[in-house]
Amino acid sequence: NAGVIQTPRHKVTGKGQEATLWCEPISGHSAVFWYRQTIVQGLEFLTYFRNQAPIDDSGMPKERFSAQMPNQSHSTLKIQSTQPQDSAVYLCASSLVGGENTLYFGAGTRLSVL
Amino acid sequence: GDSVTQTEGLVTVTEGLPVKLNCTYQTTYLTIAFFWYVQYLNEAPQVLLRSSTDNKRTEHQGFHATLHKSSSSFHLQKSSAQLSDSALYYCALSQGGSAKLIFGEGTKLTVSS
Repeated sequence: NAGVIQTPRHKVTGKGQEATLWCEPISGHSAVFWYRQTIVQGLEFLTYFRNQAPIDDSGMPKERFSAQMPNQSHSTLKIQSTQPQDSAVYLCASSLVGGENTLYFGAGTRLSVL
Repeated sequence: GDSVTQTEGLVTVTEGLPVKLNCTYQTTYLTIAFFWYVQYLNEAPQVLLRSSTDNKRTEHQGFHATLHKSSSSFHLQKSSAQLSDSALYYCALSQGGSAKLIFGEGTKLTVSS
């Protein structure tokens, strides 16, 4: 079991550019989550898919951020017109639905917006 | 609103001494589960403990925590801190059986020799 895989591990963009972050959940896990991690805010929930359907996007900034899960093996988080305040580590996690609901995290993508 | 609070951003303790990381919560749900996650430097957060039973002690890797609904707390404790325990610790709440976790702000634990 390779765990949750996130690519790239590091991404540097210029202000105003677009960034796309990729996540491959653990095989068999039907729930996928995106969190943003900063020193000040800690782990902030962004969005959540179950069986590829969007369930809760209450943490997503309404402009510029979007997430998709086109198939059960990957999800993407896209940030348009990146701003310096978007700089953070973006973590993807997956879990089995039901049971103990334990989230398994990937190593994250560190986004730096210059 | 529903929230999780970790009051200490940074805790420093000497190796061999006990350590306690505080976690309290606010929720309107009756069905809840609590987690402690640990994140070592440059690694992914990983689950350390989980509990959904009131007043039942849960233990793993020398750490323990007890969910106390009466005081809305799920503090993490260890009787003897080790250098390898230095990491970032997050407390997290699951409400109503939801898979979504609400995390606290995190506590950075530094164990010194």
